[in-house]
Amino acid sequence: SAVISQKPSRDICQRGTSLTIQCQVDSQVTMMFWYRQQPGQSLTLIATANQGSEATYESGFVIDKFPISRPNLTFSTLTVSNMSPEDSSIYLCSVGSRVAGELFFGEGSRLTVL
Amino acid sequence: GQQVMQIPQYQHVQEGEDFTTYCNSSTTLSNIQWYKQRPGGHPVFLIQLVKSGEVKKQKRLTFQFGEAKKNSSLHITATQTTDVGTYFCAGPAGSARQLTFGSGTQLTVLP
Repeated sequence: SAVISQKPSRDICQRGTSLTIQCQVDSQVTMMFWYRQQPGQSLTLIATANQGSEATYESGFVIDKFPISRPNLTFSTLTVSNMSPEDSSIYLCSVGSRVAGELFFGEGSRLTVL
Repeated sequence: GQQVMQIPQYQHVQEGEDFTTYCNSSTTLSNIQWYKQRPGGHPVFLIQLVKSGEVKKQKRLTFQFGEAKKNSSLHITATQTTDVGTYFCAGPAGSARQLTFGSGTQLTVLP
């Protein structure tokens, strides 16, 4: 399994500001995934962060709104830009198992935008 | 795109009663995974099913993968308060390791 640390665990933000979420993994991984979980909803994949190349975004998510960095094989950041109340969600970082296909998740970053 | 639906959305049971959640995919899946998310927590992997018609058990939990590999179920026998949480199924999407999550079933167990 992988140990994934996310910061911040929660934050309250003002409309129009940006917040960067950090994700640190205890082992080197090729791909890291960023998911969003809106209140009471399921998980939606935002993007796949690849080391050494641009992140790959899913339909409905764009780089200007959710810029991602992946400077090395154990670390990634997701920025939520120009936030609005609709961005209030839990943002989850995840990595895949080396052996099988399951995902391991960080504890999540719960953002509330006022 | 691929859609994964779960029913029911919510389920309240008395402790000791059984519980079942059903997962249906719009496309055939190479495998299906199940996750549990406790209130305030993050999703935790439970199991992966790969073969058509496969059945796996984990103590009181029984997981089944449909013959057509488009549906799956999770059955909990004699629920306990520790079973409280939201159960998600998930299937592969796009490139390796990406998953599409089902809509989830939120289980409440009344003592």
